[in-house]
Amino acid sequence: GAGVSQTPSNKVTEKGKYVELRCDPISGHTALYWYRQSLGQGPEFLIYFQGTGAADDSGLPNDRFFAVRPEGSVSTLKIQRTERGDSAVYLCASSEQNYNSPLHFGNGTRLTVT
Amino acid sequence: GDSVTQMEGPVTLSEEAFLTINCTYTATGYPSLFWYVQYPGEGLQLLLKATKADDKGSNKGFEATYRKETTSFHLEKGSVQVSDSAVYFCVANTNAGKSTFGDGTTLTVKP
Repeated sequence: GAGVSQTPSNKVTEKGKYVELRCDPISGHTALYWYRQSLGQGPEFLIYFQGTGAADDSGLPNDRFFAVRPEGSVSTLKIQRTERGDSAVYLCASSEQNYNSPLHFGNGTRLTVT
Repeated sequence: GDSVTQMEGPVTLSEEAFLTINCTYTATGYPSLFWYVQYPGEGLQLLLKATKADDKGSNKGFEATYRKETTSFHLEKGSVQVSDSAVYFCVANTNAGKSTFGDGTTLTVKP
């Protein structure tokens, strides 16, 4: 079946611009996660949704970052006033509700802020 | 907060060599433990998992045992192949949302 889909695969934007990154999870997965991965490091947790609500957004670095999941399926990560330090690969994952369930990752969106 | 420390890479081995990648964790509570793998040009995928002490996860010839007394989850394989070349991540999950990843270990297997 279809896996987790992220679009775009690459995004180049200028400092100060607004960007949206989209994640389409596996059908039926109630949990959705956003991570950020910088070169040479492991993925860093940003936010977790259970259904439509953000169950834990403690990893969002500041108020320029926001994410929504209005219908409990597709999610959008929004970054305002982008900075060069936001450049990274943004990963989305989904899983079944149980915390022992594995994460199913998309291929990520590589964001470059110039 | 929770943290995961894994052996620094890169690791380079010859085909059929024995592999160990060390992983230790600190966590409040009782985490589930995972190894994820990222093959070149592909996304992260689950390799194996263990959810309680003394459990052994295994897949594709890889094994890891959940050692609560040493807070470790070392990855092993008896005979690596060129196709095992990838980046390996050790992960601890103490609640449904916040999986904590190690920094990854790059493995290169030469023929």
